[in-house]
Amino acid sequence: GAVVSQHPSWVICKSGTSVKIECRSLDFQATTMFWYRQFPKQSLMLMATSNEGSKATYEQGVEKDKFLINHASLTLSTLTVTSAHPEDSSFYICSARPSGRAETGELFFGEGSRLTVL
Amino acid sequence: GNSVTQMEGPVTLSEEAFLTINCTYTATGYPSLFWYVQYPGEGLQLLLKATKADDKGSNKGFEATYRKETTSFHLEKGSVQVSDSAVYFCALSDNSSASKIIFGSGTRLSIRP
Repeated sequence: GAVVSQHPSWVICKSGTSVKIECRSLDFQATTMFWYRQFPKQSLMLMATSNEGSKATYEQGVEKDKFLINHASLTLSTLTVTSAHPEDSSFYICSARPSGRAETGELFFGEGSRLTVL
Repeated sequence: GNSVTQMEGPVTLSEEAFLTINCTYTATGYPSLFWYVQYPGEGLQLLLKATKADDKGSNKGFEATYRKETTSFHLEKGSVQVSDSAVYFCALSDNSSASKIIFGSGTRLSIRP
C-alpha cells in the first residue's frame, strides 16, 4: 500500500529556533499534500494545502509566515515552524493524495511528528 | 462551511458488544464520506468510505451507510474485539478541485476483554 513517511517523528527545540519537518510519499507521487495539527485528545485541524510547484494554501487563522510550507517535488513537502514558541508544541501530521486520484478523496497519512518547544 | 460532528467519547464496551458511533455532517453539494482509524502509536488509516447517497462502506466488520436525508454516516460493528480499541474519525471531502478532507473531533473506543 501507499506509504507516507514523516521525519523527524519527534523533536525538542528551544524557544526562538526553527524546526523543519519532512513529509515524503515513498511509493507514489503526490501533487497535493496536506498538513494537519492535532492537539491532545482532539481532532486534526487542517493547517494548509501544499501543492507541488506552487504556493501553499493556508486555512483561516494559520500564519503563513510562521508555518512555511515548501512542496518542491512530487514526493516531498516540508513544514518549517519558524521562531518556535511553547504554544507551537503539538503533533503535526501530513497526508498525501496520490496524483490523479483526487476524485477518490482518499489520503495516506504519515505517522506524525511531535514537536516540543521548551 | 463544511463540518463534521461525531459523538464524544470515550466509548467503553465489552468484547462482542454492538458498536455505534454517530456522525453527522454539514456540506454543500455532494461530499464523499470517510471513517479513519488511528490505532495507538500509529498514523491514521482509512477504514471505509462512501462516495454517494445510499452507498454502504464496509471493512473489517465495520459498516457505515451514507444517508443524505439525515446527513449522517454512522459507524457500526456487530461484535467488537479488543483489537478494535482506537480513535475513530469521521470525515468528509467536498470533492472540489482542492478536495480538502475535514475531520470530526474523533471518538476514542476502548474494548474490555
